[in-house]
Amino acid sequence: LAKTTQPISMDSYEGQEVNITCSHNNIATNDYITWYQQFPSQGPRFIIQGYKTKVTNEVASLFIPADRKSSTLSLPRVSLSDTAVYYCLSFTSGTYKYIFGTGTRLKVLA
Amino acid sequence: GAVVSQHPSRVICKSGTSVKIECRSLDFQATTMFWYRQFPKQSLMLMATSNEGSKATYEQGVEKDKFLINHASLTLSTLTVTSAHPEDSSFYICSARAGEGSSPLHFGNGTRLTVT
Repeated sequence: LAKTTQPISMDSYEGQEVNITCSHNNIATNDYITWYQQFPSQGPRFIIQGYKTKVTNEVASLFIPADRKSSTLSLPRVSLSDTAVYYCLSFTSGTYKYIFGTGTRLKVLA
Repeated sequence: GAVVSQHPSRVICKSGTSVKIECRSLDFQATTMFWYRQFPKQSLMLMATSNEGSKATYEQGVEKDKFLINHASLTLSTLTVTSAHPEDSSFYICSARAGEGSSPLHFGNGTRLTVT
């Protein structure tokens, strides 16, 4: 399982775009990158997942460069309700195990 | 979308008693479920992998006799904290995968256990 490294915390203001970068230098060929959001006293919520290049859904975009050693979660125009902890995970299809890193505590300010 | 339901959402028990937490996959079958524990301001820690019809697999340092896991059906896994102590007070979260291959995990909303 690839270990992931991400900033411990970030601050942003409402309406701004937020980019959270995750490093996964030892990612294996079959590993996917998945991002989760967690609010206090709730379980993590799936945001987005990708293998390479760019993935976009209704809430976020995920950018993965060609070497796949890092990935960037992009949240467009954040609001106060986006204040949460964001986890970057990698897993190998078939192993089923997700090991969580420290996560990034995002605080959105008014 | 895939929904994982946990019950109860919070429980308070006396030291020495046992507590059972249920995890259900509501709209899909899950041969494998995962149990995590989370202390305040910390990340989730994987405790064990629950396998339908067979024994659970525990992570290093997790006492299997302390945290009993039963996965009797394709939609239900239970975690029983036996002889609970105050240090077992934590947030317990289960998860399951709705599909195979690269399908992401879906998490329950967690159970806040307080042992007095």
